Amino acid sequence: SYDLTQPPSVSVSPGQTATITCSGQKLGDTFVCWYQQKPGQSPLLVIYQDTKRPSGIPERFSGSNSENTATLTISGTQAMDEADYYCQAWDSTTVVFGGGTKLTVL
Amino acid sequence: EVQLVESGGGLVQPGGSLRLSCAASRFTFSRNAMNWVRQAPGKGLEWVSYISSSSSSIYYADSVKGRFTISRDNAKNSLFLHMNSLRPEDTAVYYCAREAPVGTAMVIDYWGQGTLVTVSS
Repeated sequence: SYDLTQPPSVSVSPGQTATITCSGQKLGDTFVCWYQQKPGQSPLLVIYQDTKRPSGIPERFSGSNSENTATLTISGTQAMDEADYYCQAWDSTTVVFGGGTKLTVL
Repeated sequence: EVQLVESGGGLVQPGGSLRLSCAASRFTFSRNAMNWVRQAPGKGLEWVSYISSSSSSIYYADSVKGRFTISRDNAKNSLFLHMNSLRPEDTAVYYCAREAPVGTAMVIDYWGQGTLVTVSS
């Protein structure tokens, strides 16, 4: 199964672009999802199938996936985007989550 | 909107057993595969188990294989996780999570609020 690696933390200034990476061998060969989790809350799906946004997720959230790295990009980051973010992949019998990235909006 | 409500968590001694339940509503439960995902205090998400809509496919994480059993009752819109031989490292919030009907790969579109399982003497 995949072993997904994320940076433990990312910092960004309000209004700037935040980039969170998720690395795994041949990750580009499968679909990746991204979840946002705020303290005390359940995870929320923000990107699925690499690039798609569920209904209700702001357009500032976007995703990409190529070769060994998937990327979550938050354009015009807002204070409300401060949260933990997890990437996730599936290899037909196993769901794998990345270790999570704490996004701090300074 | 989709509702997933877990119950059954609590304090249990090492080696003990517990059964978690998840009551699903506001969607056609029998059409969706389901998962259990857990999160240890202050840690990241860890997938535990998957069950297809008809129970024909079931998968487990290596960390729980042989100790946990996932099941569902589509007539009662309920998902279960039977946990045996519990260890302190099983201490976590356990989430019931629905697979989105997108057709390819695993996408979890709804999560319950979670139920806390604490394994300690």
